[in-house]
Amino acid sequence: DVKVTQSSRYLVKRTGEKVFLECVQDMDHENMFWYRQDPGLGLRLIYFSYDVKMKEKGDIPEGYSVSREKKERFSLILESASTNQTSMYLCASTRTGEETQYFGPGTRLLVL
Amino acid sequence: ILNVEQSPQSLHVQEGDSTNFTCSFPSSNFYALHWYRWETAKSPEALFVMTLNGDEKKKGRISATLNTKEGYSYLYIKGSQPEDSATYLCAFNTGGFKTIFGAGTRLFVKA
Repeated sequence: DVKVTQSSRYLVKRTGEKVFLECVQDMDHENMFWYRQDPGLGLRLIYFSYDVKMKEKGDIPEGYSVSREKKERFSLILESASTNQTSMYLCASTRTGEETQYFGPGTRLLVL
Repeated sequence: ILNVEQSPQSLHVQEGDSTNFTCSFPSSNFYALHWYRWETAKSPEALFVMTLNGDEKKKGRISATLNTKEGYSYLYIKGSQPEDSATYLCAFNTGGFKTIFGAGTRLFVKA
C-alpha cells in the first residue's frame, strides 16, 4: 500500500518561529510537491522537487523554502512564521511520466 | 491565468439520491483531468484520470465524463451513501509538473 506521511497532523506555532514540515514517501517517486489549501481556494503549489537536491518555485513560494536531501523526504520550511501562513499543508508525490498525485494526510498549521 | 472552477461549492443530499457536479477548465493546452476524493482527516485519493475527449470512467457508483473541446467534466454519484461524504477535487494538467486544482465540491450525504 503506497504511502505518503507527514510529520504532524496539527501544529501551533508563534509568529516569528521557524517551522519545519516533513514529508516522507515510500514509493520511490522522483517528484514531490508542497501545497497549501485555504477555504474557497484550490490547492496552491508552494514548491516542488523533481530530484534530490533539486527544487522549483511554485505559485506562492514567498515566505517558504524547501529541502530535499534524500529521495524519499521533502521538507517545507517557514523561516519566520506569520499569521497569514495559517493553513492546511499537503504534501504529494508522483512518479515521472505519471500525473496522478499521492497525497499525505495534511498538516493543519495555526500561527498565533 | 489558468483557472479551474467547480460547482456547486457544497451539496447536501439524502441517502439514495443521485447527484452530479461540474468542473470547468481551460480548453486549450489540455493534457489530463483528474478527480480526487478527500474525506475528512484522510489523504486525498485519486478517483479518475481522463485524457481523451469523450472519455467516460466508472468506479462502482461513481462515474465521470470529459469534454475537452468545451472544457468541462462531470462527476456523477448514483444512489449516494453516507460514506460518499467528502470533498471532490478536480485538477487540470497541461503536461508539465504543475497541476491546477479547483476549490472542490463538498458533498454531505445524510442517512
